Amino acid sequence: RKEVEQDPGPFNVPEGATVAFNCTYSNSASQSFFWYRQDCRKEPKLLMSVYSSGNEDGRFTAQLNRASQYISLLIRDSKLSDSATYLCVVDQGGKLIFGQGTELSVKP
Amino acid sequence: DAGITQSPRYKITETGRQVTLMCHQTWSHSYMFWYRQDLGHGLRLIYYSAAADITDKGEVPDGYVVSRSKTENFPLTLESATRSQTSVYFCAALTRTGGLSGANVLTFGAGSRLTVL
Repeated sequence: RKEVEQDPGPFNVPEGATVAFNCTYSNSASQSFFWYRQDCRKEPKLLMSVYSSGNEDGRFTAQLNRASQYISLLIRDSKLSDSATYLCVVDQGGKLIFGQGTELSVKP
Repeated sequence: DAGITQSPRYKITETGRQVTLMCHQTWSHSYMFWYRQDLGHGLRLIYYSAAADITDKGEVPDGYVVSRSKTENFPLTLESATRSQTSVYFCAALTRTGGLSGANVLTFGAGSRLTVL
């Protein structure tokens, strides 16, 4: 079993849709959690950290459930520019492990 | 932000040859990482380093060697390249955000695309 697993993609949604990505991790000692975004095989860039209480940044909401070892990312009112691959990242005490990524395609 | 420079950006080599991918950071962040990215696998951690002269294996270390004699450099060597090592390789450094959370953030280089024939 992979240490970090994400929903298989791709997700194809119309503009304005709400889309949710899920991620599970196997190491209960994992300390920090993140969502990264990657465009067209360029380098990944941090989208947002995931805090225990949940956090929101504009149209993006991240949530963490430590008991279920589960992370989620919700994107509201999808834009064409949101089309990318979204990567879940888990920090195991300095060792950062990525999920395989979920591709999102937002259509007009 | 840590400026991460990778070289070469593109490399074609033959099976059995030794290849070294370079990674340099302009700052002195302690943690550095090497990932490879392949279709269907996402980014997989090859090796990481917590400081100069300290390195640890990641998820897929076989066939790779790293060194960290200086904090700013973290080269990755394929001692005898194989076709299965054809991939895009990303180097990254770990920075720490400010504020109460002090969360760690990865800053990546632009990647090195390696083709092994």
